Amino acid sequence: QQQVKQSPQSLIVQKGGISIINCAYENTAFDYFPWYQQFPGKGPALLIAIRPDVSEKKEGRFTISFNKSAKQFSLHIMDSQPGDSATYFCASSTQGGSEKLVFGKGTKLTVNP
Amino acid sequence: NAGVMQNPRHLVRRRGQEARLRCSPMKGHSHVYWYRQLPEEGLKFMVYLQKENIIDESGMPKERFSAEFPKEGPSILRIQQVVRGDSAAYFCASSPRGPTNEKLFFGSGTQLSVL
Repeated sequence: QQQVKQSPQSLIVQKGGISIINCAYENTAFDYFPWYQQFPGKGPALLIAIRPDVSEKKEGRFTISFNKSAKQFSLHIMDSQPGDSATYFCASSTQGGSEKLVFGKGTKLTVNP
Repeated sequence: NAGVMQNPRHLVRRRGQEARLRCSPMKGHSHVYWYRQLPEEGLKFMVYLQKENIIDESGMPKERFSAEFPKEGPSILRIQQVVRGDSAAYFCASSPRGPTNEKLFFGSGTQLSVL
């Protein structure tokens, strides 16, 4: 049973464009929604995270939009750069923290120069 | 301040052998988590440990898998009598505080290949 569904599986964007990755969750007890960035041969690294009491969080070029009623959240990368090329994972958890994160299957982002 | 250290980076085992994966958390971190990543899949939680205690092992297969985090030394994930389906990347993560802590630091993983 997949509790977090992520799309698209892969994404190709031109430099300077906007990258959008979507996730949908099923468990209404989830209360913490992070995004992780993973480069080949490396472990995931926390990029940005949101809690359900806000609908949007922005850090630099990265923005999370959160829709509690639809049980969906998305990552927007503005002015995408070749260095952003990586695999991005959305995740969810209960208890407001990082224990037992439930990950989506990942989106491989390629930003062409 | 070194990050989370995992070794070996690559481990090849034949079916029926034992695999031992080691994880040294970041300095000052006493909470360790193990995740498994199958090809084309997201990471899946396996176990959460504190020093000398298993806090949550609900993601661990019931047989052949065990984990420990001794008072001294690294955390160890042990897989006995490996099978081909155990081939995956195993990631360790650590945090300075418990489950309500948001910041989880991952190691670079151990890629286990079972022949």
